[in-house]
Amino acid sequence: GNSVTQMEGPVTLSEEAFLTINCTYTATGYPSLFWYVQYPGEGLQLLLKATKADDKGSNKGFEATYRKETTSFHLEKGSVQVSDSAVYFCALSDLPQGGSEKLVFGKGTKLTVNP
Amino acid sequence: DTGVSQDPRHKITKRGQNVTFRCDPISEHNRLYWYRQTLGQGPEFLTYFQNEAQLEKSRLLSDRFSAERPKGSFSTLEIQRTEQGDSAMYLCASSYGAGNSPLHFGNGTRLTVT
Repeated sequence: GNSVTQMEGPVTLSEEAFLTINCTYTATGYPSLFWYVQYPGEGLQLLLKATKADDKGSNKGFEATYRKETTSFHLEKGSVQVSDSAVYFCALSDLPQGGSEKLVFGKGTKLTVNP
Repeated sequence: DTGVSQDPRHKITKRGQNVTFRCDPISEHNRLYWYRQTLGQGPEFLTYFQNEAQLEKSRLLSDRFSAERPKGSFSTLEIQRTEQGDSAMYLCASSYGAGNSPLHFGNGTRLTVT
């Protein structure tokens, strides 16, 4: 079945450091890929998505590129801020066009950014 | 847009008791989802509704679990004869359209079964 593997956390960085959170997936067909973020005390919210190979999703300075050859969707940000401290979840859906039913999530990676 | 609301935020119950959770989605959203999240894991899909119709149920949803969305607005998730393994965060999410829009999650209901 479909699955998502995220790098183990927690991740602790200093402000303005470069961030990479690795995500690889196993899926049949052509899944859509997502990054969700959960800030302290809040619900999960969509950060970015990509619906086909070589697509790049981006939002709030974060980027991730759908790499079908390596089955990866790594999250990157060039300069993190304290306000980026949160738990980040990689997820996939096997519906085309970014459909969201039955999202399969990774375990999440907790990011702490220190001033 | 007041967001997805879940009630209660926390529930502590004794093994064998029944519990019911409520979810109020964003008002114009026709799709509603239930997920479960245990400690250290990502959310796992349980079931979803389009309007009042329950379109899919995960095999994680045993016979002790039942979800309803009678008028296509709020939804309830009931767990009968709770077990300690049911302890988890129960998340509700909603979306608008035919499955091509982002999910909006509530803050969840944390269930502890003692």
